[in-house]
Amino acid sequence: QLVLTQSPSASASLGASVKLTCTLSSGHSSYAIAWHQQQPEKGPRYLMKVNNDGSHTKGDGIPDRFSGSSSGAERYLTISSLQSDDDADYYCQTWGTGIRVFGGGTRLTVL
Amino acid sequence: EVQLLESGGGLVQPGGSLRLSCAASGFIFGNYAMCWVRQAPGKGLEWVSIISGSGGSIYYADSVKGRFTISRDNSKNTLYLQMSGPRADDTAVYYCAKVGSPNGYGEVDYWGQGTLVTVSS
Repeated sequence: QLVLTQSPSASASLGASVKLTCTLSSGHSSYAIAWHQQQPEKGPRYLMKVNNDGSHTKGDGIPDRFSGSSSGAERYLTISSLQSDDDADYYCQTWGTGIRVFGGGTRLTVL
Repeated sequence: EVQLLESGGGLVQPGGSLRLSCAASGFIFGNYAMCWVRQAPGKGLEWVSIISGSGGSIYYADSVKGRFTISRDNSKNTLYLQMSGPRADDTAVYYCAKVGSPNGYGEVDYWGQGTLVTVSS
């Protein structure tokens, strides 16, 4: 079964960096994923697609502070030079035949 | 600029019906799959349904299969979601989203602003 697992919460200080993790279920370690950001009381915004080789393609207007990487079944989103408006929920998403899946989301708190 | 504008949300009684619409602009609508994603109050994102660019391939989440129908009119650049027999647990903000490929095998790369559906008597 295709499942994405994310930690429920993370925190980091203003100006620091943070690395969020999305883990693909067993047997699906070659899948690409996408990262989406949802700020409080707003709709989601597409950030980037991360492939299993670690390459990533960002959405329109996404700053260089956001980057993606990969290791095995894990896909990462790294945000550097954290700003207050990075305080948001982050969801990973993947796709298979007949199914689209979202992770449970990680609530990032910028201290 | 890609724009997705949902409409049709509101209050609906359990067992009733409601049709959501999503007007798309800024891209060649028929060249891309489209989907609906929902978010219940205080919860995460849940994929609902997806339709290929041609409309020939459609999939549903198990939670809505047999009750919801996705469709599209490429001549009007509009996506639809017909909700039949909604239940209280269908209460959510419904987002229209563009997929980055014609067959739907890819990431969501644009989102609408969402429309709230409340199922209650």
